[in-house]
Amino acid sequence: DIVMTQSPDSLAVSLGERATINCKSSQSVLYSSNNKNYLAWYQHKPGQPPKLLIYWASTRESGVPDRFSGSGSGTDFTLTISSLQAEDVAVYYCQQYYNFPPTFGQGTKLEIK
Amino acid sequence: QVQLVESGGGVVQPGGSLRLSCAASGFTFSSYGMHWVRQAPGKGLEWVAFIRYDGSNKYYADSMKGRFTISRDNSRNTLYLQMNSLRADDTAVYYCAKVGLHSDLYFDYWGQGKLVTVSS
Repeated sequence: DIVMTQSPDSLAVSLGERATINCKSSQSVLYSSNNKNYLAWYQHKPGQPPKLLIYWASTRESGVPDRFSGSGSGTDFTLTISSLQAEDVAVYYCQQYYNFPPTFGQGTKLEIK
Repeated sequence: QVQLVESGGGVVQPGGSLRLSCAASGFTFSSYGMHWVRQAPGKGLEWVAFIRYDGSNKYYADSMKGRFTISRDNSRNTLYLQMNSLRADDTAVYYCAKVGLHSDLYFDYWGQGKLVTVSS
């Protein structure tokens, strides 16, 4: 199984500041035939289901604010929130969909400083 | 709009059985694969099982193989998870999730989740 490791486990950022969450996979999730990274990011707020933010490592899902961006390739990926809003407080998960079983990082808890 | 509504959770004793259902609407259910994903209390997300759009193939996490069965009824737009030989560590919120538009292995819509508690 591909192991996904996020850092940090928790993060406190001031409103309006940048938040950066890292995700590392134990093997590459870049599929050479289409040059796509099989990596997604989700936002999970208490009492709500997870919400898809980004797929293909950097493509925003429809309706996701453009302050959310994803980058990286191969084994190292980053989710960036350019200007933190109060409603962004949540746990964020990366997930590889390169192969079975799909696996998640352990989550990063984002709070307001 | 896409809606996924789980039902059937509750409290069950260790070794017992439970069936979860997920009623789907707002999309052509019979055209999409579906997953179950769970979250144990205080833990992260864990993939449970996947079924292809027509039910032809099913995949399970190793710890659920032989105990859990995923199925679907496309005439009723409903996904199921039959859980047998339940253990305390199966206690979790169980989510049904629809596959994404570009791959069967990520999730673009999730249900609200249903709590399953395994306890004597």
